Amino acid sequence: QSVLTQPPSASGTPGQRVTISCFGSSSNIGGNTVNWYQQLPGTAPKLLIYTNNQRPSGVPDRFSGSKSGTSASLAISGLQSEDEADYYCATWDDSFFGGGTKLTVL
Amino acid sequence: QVQLQQSGPGLVKPSQTLSLTCTVSGGSTSSGSYYWSWIRQPAGKGLEWIGRIYNSGSTNYNPSLKSRVTMSVDTSKNQFSLKLSSVTAADTAVYYCAGGGYYYDSSSYSYYYYGLDVWGQGTTVIVSS
Repeated sequence: QSVLTQPPSASGTPGQRVTISCFGSSSNIGGNTVNWYQQLPGTAPKLLIYTNNQRPSGVPDRFSGSKSGTSASLAISGLQSEDEADYYCATWDDSFFGGGTKLTVL
Repeated sequence: QVQLQQSGPGLVKPSQTLSLTCTVSGGSTSSGSYYWSWIRQPAGKGLEWIGRIYNSGSTNYNPSLKSRVTMSVDTSKNQFSLKLSSVTAADTAVYYCAGGGYYYDSSSYSYYYYGLDVWGQGTTVIVSS
């Protein structure tokens, strides 16, 4: 059982906006920042969002992150078929990961 | 652009030691603003942090694996390594090396991390006799 809780699955249609949540506690998300990773099938994870809402160079602005209290969210707008992947939230130092959310583009 | 290339055996016998190496190109393991981590992922499951090492050699390990894990860095070869002893079938997984930026505020003794922005290609390690 992961320290950070994510829904196991999410889905949306092309062009739609989807949100993936990540629930923690005061000892992790509540007191520190959150990172998000995207893992396409058969590949290594890729950093999508760091420090709650910062995008590394090259990550489209369709991806955005936010944090409130002991929970965090990843939003994907203008959903595309290539966004179909597993998404993981992680604590500020990546020592804990959420269980992952499998995003399906219908 | 920093790139990581993993190497090491894909099959390890139970009770033996798993050894993997990650070679850094386009950057330096001696960088004072980068740290190096190992992450693993059992088939069909999520990510598990194994630990991290800084260029100084200082390490942090996952408490659940701490008694069996050793990480090291060889700045002369621009490599960092993972050793996991006394392996069992439960250690079968894809192992990733990764690197990320950080900042240490000496005035507050606080670390600030900026995510793992470079990853190796992954090594599938099977523990079986």
